[in-house]
Amino acid sequence: ETGVTQTPRHLVMGMTNKKSLKCEQHLGHNAMYWYKQSAKKPLELMFVYSLEERVENNSVPSRFSPECPNSSHLFLHLHTLQPEDSALYLCASSQTRAGVEFFGPGTRLTVL
Amino acid sequence: GQQLNQSPQSMFIQEGEDVSMNCTSSSIFNTWLWYKQDPGEGPVLLIALYKAGELTSNGRLTAQFGITRKDSFLNISASIPSDVGIYFCAGQLDSNSGYALNFGKGTSLLVTP
Repeated sequence: ETGVTQTPRHLVMGMTNKKSLKCEQHLGHNAMYWYKQSAKKPLELMFVYSLEERVENNSVPSRFSPECPNSSHLFLHLHTLQPEDSALYLCASSQTRAGVEFFGPGTRLTVL
Repeated sequence: GQQLNQSPQSMFIQEGEDVSMNCTSSSIFNTWLWYKQDPGEGPVLLIALYKAGELTSNGRLTAQFGITRKDSFLNISASIPSDVGIYFCAGQLDSNSGYALNFGKGTSLLVTP
């Protein structure tokens, strides 16, 4: 596998479920990101990890919980989501925090 | 984040036509990026611009970093059906702002054969 991969590609969950999104980068990058993409809105940065340390959390509700166990893997744990959380969740990575970001294919999340 | 104004919002053109889209901002950026997103996929980097006035090409694509550092444009020459998708501009701030990327809302391009 090359680049940035995300699993699952599609996820449907109820509001009481707990699920996790996974991202893996094969580029040797040191920074990883979670973005939310909703229709008709610009990409919204959610979390930034640099060298496995969370360096940015853009006022994201606590029902979203990120985890970065190492520089190649990033998770987004989901708990008691709302229907308005339905969106495409994109993972990205960059060589350094200041570097150009490369995106994964995204997870299309639907909350019922 | 900083708001980027990307236009046009959508374009519907015939194969072979040239395309131009642009982004403007009230803030100065250190880097301008252009991405393309196909349906059901993540954005793919097309061109990165690092200096004011820089003009860079990638095949049929050409992008420029505006002299004021507050704007950028992307041109596509001789469009083909596979150019269909959503094109996003993104401006990157400096270390004082955490290198945050600010995205435009995208230009949706449709190309008819």
